[in-house]
Formats: sequence, structure tokens, C-alpha cells
Amino acid sequence: QSALTQPRSVSGSPGQSVTISCTGTSSDVGDNIYVSWYQQHPGKAPKLMIYDVSKRPSGVPDRFSGSKSGNTASLTISGLQAEDEADYYCCSYAGSWVFGGGTKLTVL
Amino acid sequence: EVQLLESGGGLVQPGGSLRLSCAASGFTFSSYTMSWVRQAPGKGLERVSGISGGGDTTKYADSVKGRFTISRDNSKNTLYLQMNSLRAEDTAVYYCAKKSVPGSYYFDYWGQGTTVTVSS
Repeated sequence: QSALTQPRSVSGSPGQSVTISCTGTSSDVGDNIYVSWYQQHPGKAPKLMIYDVSKRPSGVPDRFSGSKSGNTASLTISGLQAEDEADYYCCSYAGSWVFGGGTKLTVL
Repeated sequence: EVQLLESGGGLVQPGGSLRLSCAASGFTFSSYTMSWVRQAPGKGLERVSGISGGGDTTKYADSVKGRFTISRDNSKNTLYLQMNSLRAEDTAVYYCAKKSVPGSYYFDYWGQGTTVTVSS
């Protein structure tokens, strides 16, 4: 199964909004609701930010939101803060697990 | 508080073996599917193996099938990954990850990782 496609990098200024896309196929992202997003700071473990396309775990700020349209899922971060600078990975489960290649978010 | 603590990583020669462990606490270990997810240097994430709560069902990525064996000891709340015939491309940080409750599919907790380096 091929990795999901994410932009290599995105950037935004503090207070702005950014959206990270995650494109798969009708066999993974487009197949069900099992899309999740993970934040990873350098040298740290991944942290769950969004699950089931748009649900936020307890403790994750509501600045983080998820959505999906067809075979593309998206993570939107509004009101960007310096601590949001990190790598972000999408993940899909449709019988097997597949991750995106990761997107580096730079807060300018 | 859920805690996952990996150990067992290190430097090994190509063709060698290594056994990783993940000590779990803060939840009913035997009730949850557990996975190993790796990250090669500068690369993305890859789920290499998973095991059901009772240990009766295991899954492997094609890249490690036949070389890696996942297991668990629910009496010790510990997950294992036996890695044989190691290759340079197995060099990565290996994370232990807890799968969500049944009915959904995501990793809600991750350990800090243990580094495996395969080199002569």
C-alpha cells in the first residue's frame, strides 16, 4: 500500500491559519472515517491530535480541526502559535495501516 | 496515566538479531491491540507489526515479514519485538504504540522510542 501524499512543508505566521492535506485513494482515506493526525516535535514521540477524521482527544486545543472530502483529508490549525511548529503525519486504516510522508510546519 | 517504555535498542551488525521490549502501565494491557511503529532517520512513520490483546492475532508489514516476530506477555504487561536477519534499512527509532478502543483505528499513546542501528 502506497504512503498517503502530504505536502513536504507549509508555513504561516502567528495567528494565521494553515491547512495540511493528506491525499489517498478510495481504498484508504476515501473508504471510511479512520483518518488520524499526529504531531511530532524534533526528537519526540508522535502525539495524537485528531482521530476519526475530525474528533479531538481530550487536551488538544480546539484550534486543531480535521475534515475529509473524498480521498483527501485535511488538518487545519487556526490561530497559529510558535509551539505548533512540528512535523505532522496523517494516517489511514482500511484493513492495513498507512501513513503520510509527513509535513513540516514552520511558524514564521 | 498511560506509560509505554521501550528498551532493547542498540547497534547491531547486518544479519544480526535484537529483541525490543515495551513495558506498559496505566491501562488494562491485555485489553488492547499493541503495535510497533518505526521511523527511519529523516523519514516518515511505518507500522511494522501489531498484536491483538490476547496475542492470538499478529500482523506484519511486508518489509519485515518472516524476519520480525511480535509477542506479548500480559502477565508482565510487556510487548516484544524479536528482530532477526537485520538489514541496514531496518535502522530506525522503534516506537511502541497503543491502539484505540475497539470500533476505531488510531494510536492514542506512544512510547518515547528506542533506537536500532544496523551497521558494520
